[in-house]
Amino acid sequence: EAQVTQNPRYLITVTGKKLTVTCSQNMNHEYMSWYRQDPGLGLRQIYYSMNVEVTDKGDVPEGYKVSRKEKRNFPLILESPSPNQTSLYFCASDFKPGPLYGYTFGSGTRLTVV
Amino acid sequence: DAKTTQPNSMESNEEEPVHLPCNHSTISGTDYIHWYRQLPSQGPEYVIHGLTSNVNNRMASLAIAEDRKSSTLILHRATLRDAAVYYCILRGVNSGNTPLVFGKGTRLSVIA
Repeated sequence: EAQVTQNPRYLITVTGKKLTVTCSQNMNHEYMSWYRQDPGLGLRQIYYSMNVEVTDKGDVPEGYKVSRKEKRNFPLILESPSPNQTSLYFCASDFKPGPLYGYTFGSGTRLTVV
Repeated sequence: DAKTTQPNSMESNEEEPVHLPCNHSTISGTDYIHWYRQLPSQGPEYVIHGLTSNVNNRMASLAIAEDRKSSTLILHRATLRDAAVYYCILRGVNSGNTPLVFGKGTRLSVIA
């Protein structure tokens, strides 16, 4: 089944403890992206990647890192999480960026930083 | 990307058709109309997209007005599983890596 898989689904952590949220897609998509969703603010893009070894900042990149060493994986790294990074995170992928296709989203990772 | 306007909420009976409207009066000639939905506790899900002609797929139909200033997502037979927030989004041909911008969408309730 074509899908974007995120892990973990739920995570509670303490301030300052490094964590990684994994994202993997099995559709050979070139484009991958991370979003966070907060009440009243909608979905906001954190980082995106046009292809292997090509990443760039989205609208809210502060406090996050990403890497794209392989086409299928696009992990989101929080080096020193803070409570304002408590949010619902979604990874998405697309065949190519632009309007000709639709994004496939993962099921989400609900992160709580205490 | 140009702005879209959708009703905040709609209600439908199960097994009846649902027509979800979207206004996009400032659409440009190269903007595609995309629809996504988000079920409770899940990630957004792509539904359908089109440019000028009406489109059909296994999930829904998209009817686009002749002047392209509005469109309607049609669910032919609503089920309880279709209860979700539906988002209408415009994507320009040069949108490339610009992020999807989800507005408030339409919250669809389906009554058994």
